[in-house]
Formats: sequence, structure tokens, C-alpha cells
Amino acid sequence: GENVEQHPSTLSVQEGDSAVIKCTYSDSASNYFPWYKQELGKGPQLIIDIRSNVGEKKDQRIAVTLNKTAKHFSLHITETQPEDSAVYFCAASRRRSGGGADGLTFGKGTHLIIQP
Amino acid sequence: DSGVTQTPKHLITATGQRVTLRCSPRSGDLSVYWYQQSLDQGLQFLIQYYNGEERAKGNILERFSAQQFPDLHSELNLSSLELGDSALYFCASSVGTGRTGELFFGEGSRLTVL
Repeated sequence: GENVEQHPSTLSVQEGDSAVIKCTYSDSASNYFPWYKQELGKGPQLIIDIRSNVGEKKDQRIAVTLNKTAKHFSLHITETQPEDSAVYFCAASRRRSGGGADGLTFGKGTHLIIQP
Repeated sequence: DSGVTQTPKHLITATGQRVTLRCSPRSGDLSVYWYQQSLDQGLQFLIQYYNGEERAKGNILERFSAQQFPDLHSELNLSSLELGDSALYFCASSVGTGRTGELFFGEGSRLTVL
């Protein structure tokens, strides 16, 4: 099955600086790569996703890049703010054309700490 | 609020016991997923149901079982509980058809086995 590795496990950056979280996956058939943010006491929430036919996607201060050949993808957060402090999870799965979504395989998470 | 409801929020029980966790998906979502979150293992996919049928299976123990009912709510049954089963159990739902792949997570059920 799919295996997703995520690094680093903890990342501390100064407010206003950029943060980068990296993930690798093992299953070349995976074609969907979402990123989830989990705040304390809450369930994970999707912040951005990318499909394998796209190399980069941006949404305001957040961007994700995908390298299919190397089987790795990264989350980039620019101009970090205190509210960006949370645990971030990358994930991978295969989309089914007939409907529904395969169970996502998650990385182990990165605890992002924004230092004031 | 994701629209996914999980009950109970907290549960404390003893080893060897059996518990049932309940999940109501977002209105209109046909797929339900169960995940186990522990400190050392992160988010582990357990099982997925789509419109009442089992769709995919992950690292779910034989002591665990799940089902999705005609009204689309789902239950996760955990039996012969062990200390290591203590974790946060998340339910998520997604639109069964269409192109979006977003999973909507509930706030989880925290299980403590003593």
C-alpha cells in the first residue's frame, strides 16, 4: 500500500518568515495530494490540494508543489502569522472515477510553531 | 463546523470492554471514513464506507468493526479493548460522486482505556 513520509516533525519559524514542509510518497498510482491543518482540539481541515496533472498550486499565502518523477510534494507558507501555528498533515490517495474517494494515507504530521 | 458529528466526545473504559463510536456525516455525503490518531502513529486510515457498502480497508484490527446504515450514519465498534487502543478516533465524510476530494472531519472521539 501507499506510504507517506513527512518532514520535519517540528518546525519553528519567526513570524513573517516562510515555512516549508516536505512529503514523499511511494505509490506511483497516487494522483491526489491534499494538505490538512489540525488545530488543537479539532479535526483536520483541508487547506489546499493538488492533483497529479498539475505541478504547482497557490492560494494566497499557501502554495503546494508536486514532483511526480521524484514522488515528492511540498507545502509552502509565506509571511507566516501566529494563527498558522498548528499541526499540518500531507496525504496521498487515488481518486476513483466511479465516485467516492480512496482512504487517504497521511504523513505523521508537522507541528508548526510561529515565534512572535 | 465541518457538519460531521461524532459522539461521544470522550469515553473512558476498562480493558476487555466494548465500545461503539457514532458518526453522522455531512448532509448529502455518501462516503464515511474512520481514522485513528495516536501520538506515535499519526492519522491511520481504518475503513471507508460508500452508500452503505464497505469501500476500502486500511489498518483495522479484527477486534474492530464498522458499518454504515441506510440513513448513512456510521458506527465503529471496538471490542476486547487494550491499553494501546487509547487514541482519538476521527470520522470523516466526503461527497460520493463528483470531482472534489475533500474530506470533512468531525472533532473526534477520545477513547481512554484504563
